[in-house]
Amino acid sequence: AQKVTQAQTEISVVEKEDVTLDCVYETRDTTYYLFWYKQPPSGELVFLIRRNSFDEQNEISGRYSWNFQKSTSSFNFTITASQVVDSAVYFCALSQTEMIYKIIFGKGTRLHILP
Amino acid sequence: DSGVTQTPKHLITATGQRVTLRCSPRSGDLSVYWYQQSLDQGLQFLIQYYNGEERAKGNILERFSAQQFPDLHSELNLSSLELGDSALYFCASSVGSEGATGNTEAFFGQGTRLTVV
Repeated sequence: AQKVTQAQTEISVVEKEDVTLDCVYETRDTTYYLFWYKQPPSGELVFLIRRNSFDEQNEISGRYSWNFQKSTSSFNFTITASQVVDSAVYFCALSQTEMIYKIIFGKGTRLHILP
Repeated sequence: DSGVTQTPKHLITATGQRVTLRCSPRSGDLSVYWYQQSLDQGLQFLIQYYNGEERAKGNILERFSAQQFPDLHSELNLSSLELGDSALYFCASSVGSEGATGNTEAFFGQGTRLTVV
């Protein structure tokens, strides 16, 4: 069975601190895709990143970085020098390669960035 | 703005009633996906349509149904509503139906917040 676990329900940090959101997944598939989505207070889901299971390279995009480790089935997300606008719920998600959009989401981590 | 339009934004209705949620995908996108976000279940995939045909089914109740019309907009029909159906319902769209190349994204609408009282 496929499963995504985001153990951190809620995190609060002070602005400019770094914060890491954890994501652990379970799948029997050898090929799969992992995602992170952001849900700001306005409610929409915003795509952040997609990574396939063959690509274990870490990725950096501005203040965002992702650490994919197949050995521990983790796909963690770090925000460097956090800003108040980063306050949102962040979802980690997993999908089978064949049905890429039948995405299974974690429960989300609510991130509060305090000024 | 993702380009995916969902109406209405908010809906309040009574138990036992029937409602229809509407989604207009991004221009050129053939696939529409419906998701339910609730406090209990988190974010769950309900159903996917591709170019008018049902392509994949997730945890969708029998009381719920969907369709995609020739102009590619989609409707999610929820009937015999229960209190537990209160949730945020998202629609997403993408160009393709499956991730053959993995180069296409799914873009989400802003959701319809349904409250059943």
